[in-house]
Amino acid sequence: GAGVSQSPSNKVTEKGKDVELRCDPISGHTALYWYRQSLGQGLEFLIYFQGNSAPDKSGLPSDRFSAERTGGSVSTLTIQRTQQEDSAVYLCASSQQTHSGAQYNEQFFGPGTRLTVL
Amino acid sequence: AQRVTQPEKLLSVFKGAPVELKCNYSYSGSPELFWYVQYSRQRLQLLLRHISRESIKGFTADLNKGETSFHLKKPFAQEEDSAMYYCALRAGSYQLTFGKGTKLSVIP
Repeated sequence: GAGVSQSPSNKVTEKGKDVELRCDPISGHTALYWYRQSLGQGLEFLIYFQGNSAPDKSGLPSDRFSAERTGGSVSTLTIQRTQQEDSAVYLCASSQQTHSGAQYNEQFFGPGTRLTVL
Repeated sequence: AQRVTQPEKLLSVFKGAPVELKCNYSYSGSPELFWYVQYSRQRLQLLLRHISRESIKGFTADLNKGETSFHLKKPFAQEEDSAMYYCALRAGSYQLTFGKGTKLSVIP
């Protein structure tokens, strides 16, 4: 079947504008993750959704960042009042159900959204 | 808190030469270690994990708890191995902590 998809693939915005990034996980995957990949940096964890549980937002860098997942499937990452330092590739991943301490379920990554804030 | 260090941003080797991509981690418990790879214009994908003790595309990695390392090795590099390689650690939860990555360039 289809892998994780993300849209848009590229987004250029002006400083101060809000942006929304979308992620469609693999069908049947209940776990969804957002990461940020900045130039010269590794992948930085942002947020994690698992089924109907409260999301783990511990990686969100500021209150300008928020994410939601509707119906346990599609997720939207919103960045308000964008800043130049928000420029990065935003990656989404999904996996089968996973629990803390349980065997790792492979995360499958999407192609990413390249965000450029001018 | 856990940390993953990949000391080399860029590693260039000649085709047929041995490759070793270094990864060191910091974590007080028993981690799970992974290598992810991203080929040009492709998405990030899992290459191998230490618990599987497998060889994928000729690559192997051994977890050395004494040295807190998980170096990725291949005896004979191929041009198609050129890519970004990320070492990642899972510390008892779902969350992965990634290193900053090493770009491997295999010179023909």
